[in-house]
Amino acid sequence: AQRVTQPEKLLSVFKGAPVELKCNYSYSGSPELFWYVQYSRQRLQLLLRHISRESIKGFTADLNKGETSFHLKKPFAQEEDSAMYYCALKMGSNYQLIWGAGTKLIIKP
Amino acid sequence: GAGVSQSPRYKVAKRGQDVALRCDPISGHVSLFWYQQALGQGPEFLTYFQNEAQLDKSGLPSDRFFAERPEGSVSTLKIQRTQQEDSAVYLCASSKTGPSGTEAFFGQGTRLTVV
Repeated sequence: AQRVTQPEKLLSVFKGAPVELKCNYSYSGSPELFWYVQYSRQRLQLLLRHISRESIKGFTADLNKGETSFHLKKPFAQEEDSAMYYCALKMGSNYQLIWGAGTKLIIKP
Repeated sequence: GAGVSQSPRYKVAKRGQDVALRCDPISGHVSLFWYQQALGQGPEFLTYFQNEAQLDKSGLPSDRFFAERPEGSVSTLKIQRTQQEDSAVYLCASSKTGPSGTEAFFGQGTRLTVV
């Protein structure tokens, strides 16, 4: 079955340290992967999608089909990065998104 | 407002009560999605509309759940005879184009608590 796994429920790092939020997926077809972010008391919003290969707020993510991973990285964490991060999978032309359970990122001053 | 609007933001229902949750998508957005998010979990797909047509309701957990979007704009998710396991945040999202496409914009959700 298709699945998205975010193994860390909570990740706490110091300001200025590198951050890596892990995401693994299970899908045999051609996936489209997304990272969504939810800041405190705000709505879910798209952070980035793998097909656009862009860097948003210093975050990048590379789709590794061999490892079925789409880890989110940032070289130097900032306090304003503290939020819930969700990885989501779109399977081919199917419009449904399959979501991971989310990782809460806390950046310590 | 330019965003997706959901109301009410919070709803407490007694077990067995019917509830109706409203979603106002971004004007002109073709696609509308409902998701259910239980505590500590990611969102789970409930149903999808393209304009007024409900193209997929495979995620609705039981026949107590019903969604409509009669004029292709506002959508209502109705839950009949609520039960405690229905307690969750219900998220609505809309996107500009049809199913193959673009970024989905989310509302702030309705937190339903069934007591």
